[in-house]
Amino acid sequence: GNSVTQMEGPVTLSEEAFLTINCTYTATGYPSLFWYVQYPGEGLQLLLKATKADDKGSNKGFEATYRKETTSFHLEKGSVQVSDSAVYFCALSELGSGGGADGLTFGKGTHLIIQP
Amino acid sequence: EAGVAQSPRYKIIEKRQSVAFWCNPISGHATLYWYQQILGQGPKLLIQFQNNGVVDDSQLPKDRFSAERLKGVDSTLKIQPAKLEDSAVYLCASSLFPDTQYFGPGTRLTVL
Repeated sequence: GNSVTQMEGPVTLSEEAFLTINCTYTATGYPSLFWYVQYPGEGLQLLLKATKADDKGSNKGFEATYRKETTSFHLEKGSVQVSDSAVYFCALSELGSGGGADGLTFGKGTHLIIQP
Repeated sequence: EAGVAQSPRYKIIEKRQSVAFWCNPISGHATLYWYQQILGQGPKLLIQFQNNGVVDDSQLPKDRFSAERLKGVDSTLKIQPAKLEDSAVYLCASSLFPDTQYFGPGTRLTVL
């Protein structure tokens, strides 16, 4: 079956530091890949996505590139802010037989703490 | 555009009691999902609907959990009877396009 593995947290960084959160996946087909973010007290929000190999998703200064050869989708940001403190989830889904997306398979989440 | 609505936001019950959660997806979204998120873990899919038909319920504990989506819009998820290990956040999501799901705020269930 499908699975997602992401680095364990918490990850603690100083403001303006460079961020990398590693994510690797196992899938039977050709999945779409996602990063979701959960800010304190809020629901899951889509941060970025990539739907095919070599695609780069980007949003709010975050980037991730779909690497089929290494089955990875690492999240990066050049300069983090205190407001980026949240839990980040890597996820995948495949196109179902009915044309809709299968349910998402999530990693366990990485808690990011940015200190001023 | 209104997001995915869920209610209640919080629920506390005792084990062996029953509970129901409600979800209203984004207007026009044909696909609806229910997930269970246990503390410290990523969400796990329980059931997926396409309009009012079930696409995938392979991870739904059918001896105690049930879900329905009448008229292809709103959905309810029920647990009867609840166990301690059902304490979790129950998330509803909907999608229009095949690859992007939008999540509601969730219902936090505590089973005592």
